[in-house]
Amino acid sequence: DAGVTQSPTHLIKTRGQQVTLRCSPKSGHDTVSWYQQALGQGPQFIFQYYEEEERQRGNFPDRFSGHQFPNYSSELNVNALLLGDSALYLCASSSPLERGRRDTQYFGPGTRLTVL
Amino acid sequence: AQRVTQPEKLLSVFKGAPVELKCNYSYSGSPELFWYVQYSRQRLQLLLRHISRESIKGFTADLNKGETSFHLKKPFAQEEDSAMYYCALIWGGASGSRLTFGEGTQLTVNP
Repeated sequence: DAGVTQSPTHLIKTRGQQVTLRCSPKSGHDTVSWYQQALGQGPQFIFQYYEEEERQRGNFPDRFSGHQFPNYSSELNVNALLLGDSALYLCASSSPLERGRRDTQYFGPGTRLTVL
Repeated sequence: AQRVTQPEKLLSVFKGAPVELKCNYSYSGSPELFWYVQYSRQRLQLLLRHISRESIKGFTADLNKGETSFHLKKPFAQEEDSAMYYCALIWGGASGSRLTFGEGTQLTVNP
């Protein structure tokens, strides 16, 4: 099992463009969370997907949107890119949500987005 | 509000010396805390989860609810312990969960 995988590894875009990042969860996991990690800071939660629905959302504008597919993989879309969106975007997966249970999240290698 | 604080951005010790990375949290519910580690050019990986009460690579961490702390300790640091360490709090419930991270502590173990 390769664990959580993300693509692409690096991406360079210009202001105003749109970007799509992809994530495949660890085998047996069906919950995917996305985080933004700016340089020198800890990861910040963007949102979490389970059963193809957004279950939780952090303090990010609507320019950040996502999707989860039936095979549990996920996409993060960012519209109208700003310079401040430059960061490492991390995907994490966890095993099925159960009532009242918060499971360990396992991280992918990240996608480094640079906005010029 | 949920918050995790790691007061030291940088920590430098010599090989064989004890090391303690501090973590304090703010959370109104029953906390579940983690330590994640990121070695150079590697992904963020789980080091410890407090409910597991494990010792991984010689590291231990005890949850102190009175002091709202979850400090990471190792009695004898090794050069290979040099890495970025993040303390994180998981919260949420049946509707989903999220991790709140501290800003991290860069540990350097000198020979």
